[in-house]
Amino acid sequence: QSALTQPASVSGSPGQSITISCTGTSSDVGGYNYVSWYQQQPGKAPKLMIYDVSNRPSGVSNRFSGSKSGNTASLTISGLQAEDEADYYCSSYTSSSTLFGTGTKVTVL
Amino acid sequence: EVQLVESGGGLVKPGGSLRLSCAASGFTFSSYSMNWVRQAPGKGLEWVSSISSSSSSIYYADSVKGRFTISRDNAKNSLYLQMNSLRAEDTAVYYCARDLYSSVLDCWGQGTLVTVSS
Repeated sequence: QSALTQPASVSGSPGQSITISCTGTSSDVGGYNYVSWYQQQPGKAPKLMIYDVSNRPSGVSNRFSGSKSGNTASLTISGLQAEDEADYYCSSYTSSSTLFGTGTKVTVL
Repeated sequence: EVQLVESGGGLVKPGGSLRLSCAASGFTFSSYSMNWVRQAPGKGLEWVSSISSSSSSIYYADSVKGRFTISRDNAKNSLYLQMNSLRAEDTAVYYCARDLYSSVLDCWGQGTLVTVSS
């Protein structure tokens, strides 16, 4: 039950695109198409942004997109906005648990 | 409106016990698996436990196995987490979360803080 690996921080200027990686193993990220991404603003509960690798829940901006290759999933935020500044976590289904990533702090410069 | 409200957090001494509750409303509680997820101060999210809609399947993180017990009462639309033999490292905000399917946690409560300290 080791955490998925994410970069500690990613930054970008308004309008730019950034990508956050999430690396696991063939037993989690690589083994299932059940990767989700969550946004967490300070002091708030996490919010689902992407599920099933690349699907967006209703109400989530289409500036957020997800993909996966092998054991690594990625979240891309295009047209970066000040309101996107937050912590982001990936997660993956496994046969007996849910694994979360180590978390990435996104800073809008 | 789908809503999850946790309660029961507080200050407890090492070795003590605490029972968390999560009240669900706005959806058919008995149709969904549910999870507890925690977040230590300044740290990342850690999955704690999950329970299927009928309580037939229950899973725990290794870090809490044998100490924590998840349960639910579908008649009361409530989820519980009984925490025994608490340790300082269990200090965290505990969230309950609805599992849409296969670990897609689409709805979260606001969290309840558990502090384990002497």
